[in-house]
Formats: sequence, structure tokens, C-alpha cells
Amino acid sequence: RKEVEQDPGPFNVPEGATVAFNCTYSNSASQSFFWYRQDCRKEPKLLMSVYSSGNEDGRFTAQLNRASQYISLLIRDSKLSDSATYLCVVNNAGNMLTFGGGTRLMVKP
Amino acid sequence: DGGITQSPKYLFRKEGQNVTLSCEQNLNHDAMYWYRQDPGQGLRLIYYSQIVNDFQKGDIAEGYSVSREKKESFPLTVTSAQKNPTAFYLCASSLPGTRLNTIYFGEGSWLTVV
Repeated sequence: RKEVEQDPGPFNVPEGATVAFNCTYSNSASQSFFWYRQDCRKEPKLLMSVYSSGNEDGRFTAQLNRASQYISLLIRDSKLSDSATYLCVVNNAGNMLTFGGGTRLMVKP
Repeated sequence: DGGITQSPKYLFRKEGQNVTLSCEQNLNHDAMYWYRQDPGQGLRLIYYSQIVNDFQKGDIAEGYSVSREKKESFPLTVTSAQKNPTAFYLCASSLPGTRLNTIYFGEGSWLTVV
């Protein structure tokens, strides 16, 4: 079993739709969690950290469920510019980051 | 501006040749990392270094070598022993010991074996 698992997609959604991705992690001792966005042929960039109480940044909402060991990302009112691959990232002890394989989102007009 | 610089952005290698990818950062970060990404895949850790003159193997270190002689520099050599080197290589750095740390990436280097 992979340490961090994501559905690779692609998720094809129309503009304005709400879309959600989940990510599961296997290490119960994982300490912190992030969502990164990666555009085609570019480096990943931090989208948002994920806090235990859940957090929101504009149209993006991230949630953490430690009991079930998954994190989620919700995107409301999808824009064409949201088309990208979204990487789930888990920080284990020793400052080591483990990346999921990414979920590809395609927002269509 | 502070950041991470990788070079070259595109590199072509003949089979049997060693190549070195450069990574320089001026963020004063102690920790540096090299990742490999294959098409449609996530990032896999090749090597990492938490401090100058020390580095550790990641998940896929075979066929690669690194050095960390200076805090700001962490070059990666792809040796001829790496049988399938064509990939996107990402260098990154972070501040260690921060609970909610983030990692900063360079723009990446595309390596193609011809």
C-alpha cells in the first residue's frame, strides 16, 4: 500500500461546478498535511496547509480526518484556471515529505 | 529575490554518460532535496540533506549521487548506472524543525536520454 494515495482522475467538470478530492495516508504518526498544485511541466506550488479544524481560503476548503486518515480538498465555483494536478503531501517525522501521485482536474467551459 | 535555481532546464544525455544537475538556493535553508517525477506520477525522493556535509538516500537513490559542500548548493549527478534516467527532476529546500513547514521548489530540470 502506498503511503499517500490519491485517485489520479482526471476529474472533468464544467465551469462553476463544485469538486472534491480525497487523499488517504497510511502513517498514523503523520504530523502535517498540505495540498500543492502543479501545472503541466511546472514545479509544484503550495496551495494550502491543512489544519485539524479544517480551513478555507476563498473557494478552497481543506479538511483533515485523523481517525480515518484522510484529507480532502473542496473547490467551489470551479474556474478554467483551476485545471491542474493537485498533490496531497504529508509531513512525517524528521521533516520528510511524502507526495501522493496527484489528482488531475480539468475544468471545461 | 530569494529562491531556488536549477540548471539546466533541459538536458539531453547519451547513454553511458554521467550528467550533473545544478541546484542553488539563497533562502538560507538547511534542508535540501532532490525528487524525480515521471509522467503522470507523483514525486519520488532521490536524496536529501539536512545539513552541510551530510546527506541521506531517499527511496530511489540507485544510480544517483550528490554532494553538499556548501549550504546553498546541492548538485545531483545522474550516473550511467541509472538505467531509466529520462524524467523531470525537482530540487527543493525547506527549513527543518518547523511543524507546519513548507517546501520550496526550483523550476525543475528535464533530462532526456537520447
